[in-house]
Amino acid sequence: AQSVTQLDSQVPVFEEAPVELRCNYSSSVSVYLFWYVQYPNQGLQLLLKYLSGSTLVKGINGFEAEFNKSQTSFHLRKPSVHISDTAEYFCAVSERGPGRRALTFGSGTRLQVQP
Amino acid sequence: NAGVTQTPKFQVLKTGQSMTLQCAQDMNHEYMSWYRQDPGMGLRLIHYSVGAGITDQGEVPNGYNVSRSTTEDFPLRLLSAAPSQTSVYFCASRAGVGTGELFFGEGSRLTVL
Repeated sequence: AQSVTQLDSQVPVFEEAPVELRCNYSSSVSVYLFWYVQYPNQGLQLLLKYLSGSTLVKGINGFEAEFNKSQTSFHLRKPSVHISDTAEYFCAVSERGPGRRALTFGSGTRLQVQP
Repeated sequence: NAGVTQTPKFQVLKTGQSMTLQCAQDMNHEYMSWYRQDPGMGLRLIHYSVGAGITDQGEVPNGYNVSRSTTEDFPLRLLSAAPSQTSVYFCASRAGVGTGELFFGEGSRLTVL
């Protein structure tokens, strides 16, 4: 079975500073990896995804993530955050192959950008 | 673009009451799913469907029923609500393959007293 661990429940950061949100996963097979963002009182939106190929994936709003197979990690980064990036961020994993394609989410990281 | 539409947005129930959360999508997606979101626990999969007439259980199915009579609709039924079902519920859909983006509704906040 697959699982996702987001190591930080909250990350406070000042505006224009860089940020990294950490995600580790566990699976017995190859996986697809995703980051979603949830703004207050809204549903989730896809930020970026890793399916195959280059391990550095660029997403919307200036975010990027790097897939590291040996460390089973998929950390999310942004070089300079804005107040509007304040939200909750979820890492998710889906196993490759036929059959069930359920998406398993981590517990979330709340990014708090301070002026 | 309607996308994924959930109703109602808010609901308060008493223990033992029943209700149905509605979910409809207009993107002709094969895959639909229900998640519940609780503080500190992320999103947990309740039930999902890979097409009309096909449903399966997720991680936390107890106390919930689903059916999929059409491609567009995927209602979630609580037959006898319990306080432990107080949560925010999200419906999500995607095209058939597992690599695609999940599109989420805006959520339904349910309180069971």
